[in-house]
Formats: sequence, C-alpha cells, structure tokens
Amino acid sequence: GAGVSQSPSNKVTEKGKDVELRCDPISGHTALYWYRQRLGQGLEFLIYFQGNSAPDKSGLPSDRFSAERTGESVSTLTIQRTQQEDSAVYLCASSLGIAGGNYEQYFGPGTRLTVT
Amino acid sequence: GENVEQHPSTLSVQEGDSAVIKCTYSDSASNYFPWYKQELGKRPQLIIDIRSNVGEKKDQRIAVTLNKTAKHFSLHITETQPEDSAVYFCAANGASYDKVIFGPGTSLSVIP
Repeated sequence: GAGVSQSPSNKVTEKGKDVELRCDPISGHTALYWYRQRLGQGLEFLIYFQGNSAPDKSGLPSDRFSAERTGESVSTLTIQRTQQEDSAVYLCASSLGIAGGNYEQYFGPGTRLTVT
Repeated sequence: GENVEQHPSTLSVQEGDSAVIKCTYSDSASNYFPWYKQELGKRPQLIIDIRSNVGEKKDQRIAVTLNKTAKHFSLHITETQPEDSAVYFCAANGASYDKVIFGPGTSLSVIP
C-alpha cells in the first residue's frame, strides 16, 4: 500500500519568507511525528500527534514553528520568517500508535528546505 | 524528559567482522527500544526493536540486548557486509509509550 508521502520534496526560500510543508500519513495510522535532520546530524524531534489528543509540541525550537493535523490525516508544518539555520531535511513519520500496539514509525521521504 | 546517548559516533569494520553500537537512556520508565537504519540519502527504517520484558532479541545477523538495571542497550551486527554501511539510530520511548527520542546516530562503514 501507499507509504508516507511528503510535499514538496525540495523547497528553496528566501530568508524571512514563510513555508508550509505537508505530510500524508499511512491510512489508519493514529500517530504522526515531525523531525528535523540537519546535514550529517541526527533526528531532532519537533512535534507529535496522537489521535485527538493535544499534540506534544515540546520539540518545536521556537514560536516560528507550528504544526496542525486534521483528524488522523494530513499534517502541515509551518515555519514563519525562515532563517538560514532552518535549512534541513524535515521528515514526517506515522505509526499505528498506542491503540494499534505497534510503535514502528514509517518515515516519509522528507522535504529538503534550503533558506537562502 | 528522556535523553539517549549513543557510542561510537563513527565505526569502521572489515567485512565479515562484528559491529557493536551502544546506547544509554535516562528515563527508567522507558519500555520500548527500537533501532533504525538510514542509508545515505534515504529515509530511516526500523530494523529491530526490543521491549523491556526481554533481555535479548535476534533477527538473523542482528541482535539487540537490553540491561534495564544499567539503562543501556546495544545493537550487534555479525558477519558484516558492505550493505550494512549506514547510519544507525537507537531510540527509547520514555514514559510516552509511542513517542521515542532518538540517539545522535552511529555512522557504520563496512570495508570490503
């Protein structure tokens, strides 16, 4: 079946502009995660959605970052007033979550963001 | 919150030798420990995971061990092959069940 998809695959933007990144999780997956991965670095947790519970936003680096999820489907990550240090690959992942008893995260291909 | 450390950051082994990557975690409530492999330019993928009710789990050439008392767990790859070359991330879930915190990663190179 279809995996996690993300769009756009690449985004180049000027410093100060806003960007919106999209994630389509696997159908039926209640949990959705956003990570940031800078070049050659690890997976930095940003935000986590689980069903209809309030999202865990503890990883968002500043108030310029926000994310929304509609029910148990699409999620968008918005970065306002982008800075050069925001340049990274933004990865989305989904899992069956607690209800499904399977915590394996399936990652999307990522969005490579370059802020010039 | 949970903190996961991982060593070494880079590891080179000869093809056929074994590779061991070690991780420690801080939250004693953690009960789920997955390992992900990320090949160059690709997305991370789960290769093995272990839950706190077992001390060891094997899957062909890969094994993971867990010591809950010491709060550390390790990945063992035997008979390494060039296609094992990748970055490996360990993770632990803290008290939030299915939210995991990843370690910084280990870049493994298998030299033919």
